[in-house]
Amino acid sequence: GAVVSQHPSWVICKSGTSVKIECRSLDFQATTMFWYRQFPKQSLMLMATSNEGSKATYEQGVEKDKFLINHASLTLSTLTVTSAHPEDSSFYICSAGSGEVYEQYFGPGTRLTVT
Amino acid sequence: RKEVEQDPGPFNVPEGATVAFNCTYSNSASQSFFWYRQDCRKEPKLLMSVYSSGNEDGRFTAQLNRASQYISLLIRDSKLSDSATYLCVVNMEYSSASKIIFGSGTRLSIRP
Repeated sequence: GAVVSQHPSWVICKSGTSVKIECRSLDFQATTMFWYRQFPKQSLMLMATSNEGSKATYEQGVEKDKFLINHASLTLSTLTVTSAHPEDSSFYICSAGSGEVYEQYFGPGTRLTVT
Repeated sequence: RKEVEQDPGPFNVPEGATVAFNCTYSNSASQSFFWYRQDCRKEPKLLMSVYSSGNEDGRFTAQLNRASQYISLLIRDSKLSDSATYLCVVNMEYSSASKIIFGSGTRLSIRP
């Protein structure tokens, strides 16, 4: 099956710093990648849809200047949490689809803790 | 009304029992439906797609009812390893794009 990796798997950073999370599709080309956030005991909330070569589409309530998304190639999308604050602490998960079959393959997630 | 709603759970059933979850969706133009499984502190993993004619994979059966706008998941002969949160996922079609919506999940706990 398709494999999606994320790096780092967990990160602790100080308030005010920026953190970059990478999402890679290892054995297929992903025209579309999705970024989700999940708080404890809650479901995944879609943050944005990342399309290769174009700007990301952000969901309502998600600040695009705070959560910078870059999808420069068909196998890599990055999410940068800028000026992170403790309330940004969460589990960030990416997923990727090939665009043909609308099934998503999830990365293992990145646990971000902002102190 | 939420776009995708699931049984709240948690479901606590004995090993070997049969358990069923339902999920309703609001957009009648929805095209694709899936059940995902998520273990604690892990990423969701695709359990099965849901096709119009219904589909079965071992102990798992998924069904779609477009008229009533719901999908279901049936687990027979449940195992301890089935304990997880089950997420209903719907691909909704809008005028300019499609959108993946996750249900809030149903927690299942299988007891010995």
